[in-house]
Formats: sequence, structure tokens, C-alpha cells
Amino acid sequence: KQEVTQIPAALSVPEGENLVLNCSFTDSAIYNLQWFRQDPGKGLTSLLLIQSSQREQTSGRLNASLDKSSGRSTLYIAASQPGDSATYLCAVPLGNTDKLIFGTGTRLQVFP
Amino acid sequence: NAGVTQTPKFQVLKTGQSMTLQCAQDMNHNSMYWYRQDPGMGLRLIYYSASEGTTDKGEVPNGYNVSRLNKREFSLRLESAAPSQTSVYFCASSESVSYGYTFGSGTRLTVV
Repeated sequence: KQEVTQIPAALSVPEGENLVLNCSFTDSAIYNLQWFRQDPGKGLTSLLLIQSSQREQTSGRLNASLDKSSGRSTLYIAASQPGDSATYLCAVPLGNTDKLIFGTGTRLQVFP
Repeated sequence: NAGVTQTPKFQVLKTGQSMTLQCAQDMNHNSMYWYRQDPGMGLRLIYYSASEGTTDKGEVPNGYNVSRLNKREFSLRLESAAPSQTSVYFCASSESVSYGYTFGSGTRLTVV
């Protein structure tokens, strides 16, 4: 059974810090991995999608890496800003289906 | 481009009442999903539809029914609401597992 874990559950950092969010999954036979952002009271916004054949994806100050063999992905946020404050979730498809299995998220607060 | 639209955004029901949550997407996606999000539990799949006319159960289907009315619309019905169904409900759609998900903004449901 695929299980997705995110550590830490919460993180508070001062503005300007570089930070890393972690995501681990128990079944390494994943098709891809997706990172989402969720603002309080809002829906999920897709940030990055990494295919199983890729090692990393970048979008602006965000960089996501994928190591299938170790069952891990990291989301690196460079030069954090207060506007980055949100909950970040990772998710992987269940087998070769479209159904996503989500981690419980990391709640990030960036203070000025 | 509206993406995924959910209605209503907020709803309060009394135990035993029924209601239907509506979801529509304008991206011509084949697959649609209903998730619920609860504190500490993450997002859990209730039902999904791989194509028009097909539906299948997810992880937590009890107490819910769904209808894939056409390719655009996927509704979730609570026949007899219970306090345990108090949650935030998200609808999502995808073209295929290769392209990731698009989420709606959610429906916050309280059952008293």
C-alpha cells in the first residue's frame, strides 16, 4: 500500500532563508510526483510535476527533486518570502492509475 | 479559462438532510475526482470517474453517491448527512496521470 509522508509538519523561518521540504513514499514504482500549494481556506494549486524519468523540475525560486530508488522528493524554496506562507503537499499516483495519494502536508510560515 | 468550478462554497446542513455538491470543468479532461480534506488526515479520495458514464469508489465512499452527468460535470450527493461528513470537499480533474491535476476551490460543509 502506497503511503506518503511529509516532514516536518510545520516550519517557521525568517524571510530570506533557503529551505527544504521533504516528501517520502513507500512504493518506489511511481509514475510521477506532484507538489501543490494550499493557502488557508483555498484550493490546491499545482506547483511542479516531476515525471518518473526526471530527476528535478524548476519553476522560479522552486526546485523539486525526485529520487525514486530511495522513495524521496524534496521541494527547495530559495530566498523565502512572507508570500510563500502556505501548506505544501506532495502527491503520487496510486500504481498506474490517475488516483492521487497525498501526504498530510507541511505548513510553512515565513515571517518578515 | 475557469478551470474547475465548485458550488456552493459554504453549506450548513442538519443531520439527515440531503444535498448535492456540483463540480464542472472546462478543460475537456477525461478524469474527475472528489476528495475530502480533514485536519490531520490529509486529502482522501471519495469517488472518481475515469470517463463520462463511469464512476468508481475511492478510499472513503460510504455515505456518498456520485453522478458523471457528462464530460464536464461530476456531482457528489449526500443522501442523509451525518456530523462525520463535516469536511472540506474538493473536486479535481485531469487529462491523464501524465499531466497532473487541477483542483477547484472547495466546498466547506458543516453538518450539525
